[in-house]
Amino acid sequence: SQQGEEDPQALSIQEGENATMNCSYKTSINNLQWYRQNSGRGLVHLILIRSNEREKHSGRLRVTLDTSKKSSSLLITASRAADTASYFCATDASTGGFKTIFGAGTRLFVKA
Amino acid sequence: EPEVTQTPSHQVTQMGQEVILRCVPISNHLYFYWYRQILGQKVEFLVSFYNNEISEKSEIFDDQFSVERPDGSNFTLKIRSTKLEDSAMYFCASTRVGQPQHFGDGTRLSIL
Repeated sequence: SQQGEEDPQALSIQEGENATMNCSYKTSINNLQWYRQNSGRGLVHLILIRSNEREKHSGRLRVTLDTSKKSSSLLITASRAADTASYFCATDASTGGFKTIFGAGTRLFVKA
Repeated sequence: EPEVTQTPSHQVTQMGQEVILRCVPISNHLYFYWYRQILGQKVEFLVSFYNNEISEKSEIFDDQFSVERPDGSNFTLKIRSTKLEDSAMYFCASTRVGQPQHFGDGTRLSIL
């Protein structure tokens, strides 16, 4: 079954440092998305990368996708205390239906 | 910016009772989803809905669950006979094809 798995499970860094989170999945995908979730809130979409793209940037975010390795990474540069949250990757299978599978997430803590 | 809204924000129900969770998707979106997140765990796909019918559903979405779009604006999730293990946050999301999903802030369901 398709599954996104992130590592590390938890990451603690100092403000100003970069944070890198990785995601792996198992089946063919149409796209991969990264979401952020603050404690007790809904998910906020950060960035979507399509299966034919290799890298995408949005502000301080950089996402890479390697379909040969079935993996993606999210880099947050110059982190801020406000970046403290859980980050999830999610994949849409290329099976024709609409099924989005989320990974277990990385809990990021940025110390001021 | 348009938002997905969910009501109620918190629902407390006795085990065995029926519960209906409500969502108002973004008005020009055509694809609708329900997800569940048990406290501290990952977001789990329940069901997707398009063109007035279920597109995909997960193993979690058994006969106790149903979805409906009764009036062209609301999108509901019904659990017929709730169990203790149904306690979780339930998120609704909507989207247009090829676009990221927009999530509501969720309904916290507590089964006593």
